[in-house]
Amino acid sequence: NAGVTQTPKFQVLKTGQSMTLQCAQDMNHNSMYWYRQDPGMGLRLIYYSASEGTTDKGEVPNGYNVSRLNKREFSLRLESAAPSQTSVYFCASSPRRQGSYNEQFFGPGTRLTVL
Amino acid sequence: SQQGEEDPQALSIQEGENATMNCSYKTSINNLQWYRQNSGRGLVHLILIRSNEREKHSGRLRVTLDTSKKSSSLLITASRAADTASYFCALGGAGTALIFGKGTTLSVSS
Repeated sequence: NAGVTQTPKFQVLKTGQSMTLQCAQDMNHNSMYWYRQDPGMGLRLIYYSASEGTTDKGEVPNGYNVSRLNKREFSLRLESAAPSQTSVYFCASSPRRQGSYNEQFFGPGTRLTVL
Repeated sequence: SQQGEEDPQALSIQEGENATMNCSYKTSINNLQWYRQNSGRGLVHLILIRSNEREKHSGRLRVTLDTSKKSSSLLITASRAADTASYFCALGGAGTALIFGKGTTLSVSS
């Protein structure tokens, strides 16, 4: 099992460009999450999907959109990148729909720089 | 917003010593989890303690939870250089998502 995979690992964008971060898990988990991690801020939840076909906003959703393509895949899209979106982005998954009741499994992260 | 506050922010110890880090929070929780993050990597789940539990062990890890004081502690015994990492507490409430704290950076020197 590969666990949670993310692509790309690194990306540099110019302000105003768009891009999609891809995430996939092969553990048949129901819930998936996107976080961003900034120095001194810990992890902040951007969006999550409690089950296939549903998505919900987290703490910092502005400037992002998500798609739960199927049970395996959960993508994060930046429509018009801004320097404030420079961060490390992590995707995670957890087995049950009530994600806060069980552990989360994390991908290796995508380091995004917006110039 | 509800968030765990880890203390200390940074901790430096020698190999073989014990490391203790704490997490405090403000509202009720269903469970509290601890995660480790090695530099440049994703987070790895260490242990989950439910609100009706007071203590839990896993190998060299010991976690306590005091819901009356709204605090938890993570003890790593006989630390090794490989334990050097950041450690995060995460709060599990009634909702779907966990709320992560800002972390404690542990440095273990040999």
